[in-house]
Amino acid sequence: AQSVTQPDARVTVSEGASLQLRCKYSYSATPYLFWYVQYPRQGLQLLLKYYSGDPVVQGVNSFEAEFSKSNSSFHLQKASVHWSDSAVYFCALSRGRGSALGRLHFGAGTQLIVIP
Amino acid sequence: GPKVLQIPSHQIIDMGQMVTLNCDPVSNHLYFYWYKQILGQQMEFLVNFYNGKVMEKSKLFKDQFSVERPDGSYFTLKIQPTALEDSAVYFCASSFGTGGSAETLYFGSGTRLTVL
Repeated sequence: AQSVTQPDARVTVSEGASLQLRCKYSYSATPYLFWYVQYPRQGLQLLLKYYSGDPVVQGVNSFEAEFSKSNSSFHLQKASVHWSDSAVYFCALSRGRGSALGRLHFGAGTQLIVIP
Repeated sequence: GPKVLQIPSHQIIDMGQMVTLNCDPVSNHLYFYWYKQILGQQMEFLVNFYNGKVMEKSKLFKDQFSVERPDGSYFTLKIQPTALEDSAVYFCASSFGTGGSAETLYFGSGTRLTVL
């Protein structure tokens, strides 16, 4: 079985500060990993994804994430947050084969609040 | 970017009634998905659909659920009859393929279903 855990339900940071949103996964093989963001009254939007290769992946809006097989983690980071980054962030995992690629297992989400 | 539209955004019905949730996927996409999110819980996969057929479904996809996309129109999720535990936000998603960069899922903003 596979699962995703986002241990922080809510994170509050000041504008301009650095950010890390944590994601831990459980899966026996190497998973496909994703970070999505959801702004109010909008659908989920893909920030970045990891399949293989360089464990540090770059995404949109200067977000990046680092895959760690030894820690079973895929934490999302940003060097300097902006108030417009306030949203709910979801980490997700896929087994990544055929139609299973679209069967995502989501974490519970982390609400990010950026204080101006 | 590509948009997935869900209609309506909110639906309230009485237990036992039938409800149809509509999704207008990205125009050239071939794979379609429904996810369910109960308030305060993780988003969970319900079903995926390709070439007129259900490819994979989860244990949440009860016998009362059905999906179809007649003649390339809306991708629909029908629940008949509804139960109180069907109250949730239902997210539709679509993707062009299931491999490489084609597998990115695009999500709608969800339909909040309230069963009274």
